[in-house]
Amino acid sequence: EAGVAQSPRYKIIEKRQSVAFWCNPISGHATLYWYQQILGQGPKLLIQFQNNGVVDDSQLPKDRFSAERLKGVDSTLKIQPAKLEDSAVYLCASSFEGRDYYNEQFFGPGTRLTVL
Amino acid sequence: RKEVEQDPGPFNVPEGATVAFNCTYSNSASQSFFWYRQDCRKEPKLLMSVYSSGNEDGRFTAQLNRASQYISLLIRDSKLSDSATYLCVVNLPHSNSGYALNFGKGTSLLVTP
Repeated sequence: EAGVAQSPRYKIIEKRQSVAFWCNPISGHATLYWYQQILGQGPKLLIQFQNNGVVDDSQLPKDRFSAERLKGVDSTLKIQPAKLEDSAVYLCASSFEGRDYYNEQFFGPGTRLTVL
Repeated sequence: RKEVEQDPGPFNVPEGATVAFNCTYSNSASQSFFWYRQDCRKEPKLLMSVYSSGNEDGRFTAQLNRASQYISLLIRDSKLSDSATYLCVVNLPHSNSGYALNFGKGTSLLVTP
């Protein structure tokens, strides 16, 4: 079974530039998550989609971050403009059904973003 | 206070040792609990779910104490391949239905020959 795919794997940009990350979840998974993991920290949920609707975006810095999942499958996360403190690994995860509290989340390999 | 707090670590142990990780969570509405493992520069992967009755998977034993809001992970007969960061994870319900995972900072384990 193919896992969660993400691209690019690495990105280096200068502050105030824009960047976009792409995620393709496991086939059939209704729920998709974007996390930010800063070095030395655990992943922090940015946004959760159930099919193509947003379930939780309470920790998404909406002044600069946006995300969409238009057809309920792939998703993109955008940062515009980037700040130094956005340097982190951006992890995408998916689960079969996010409303089941024992549903396992499967993570992609992440995109490592460095903002100079 | 953070939602999920873990032992500061790092833990350096010799092969064959037994090592225990502890975790506390602050929200009594938490519904489910997990340990995830994260290798260096890799994504987190589910190690095991944690049930109220306690559960064991080979050399790994997880315990949950809801009254104390405390979770533990015990690794017996440590192997070099157990070297990784162990993330304590708590699932919280949120207002729009569904659940959100809250991760601890993780505890780093290094098993040495």
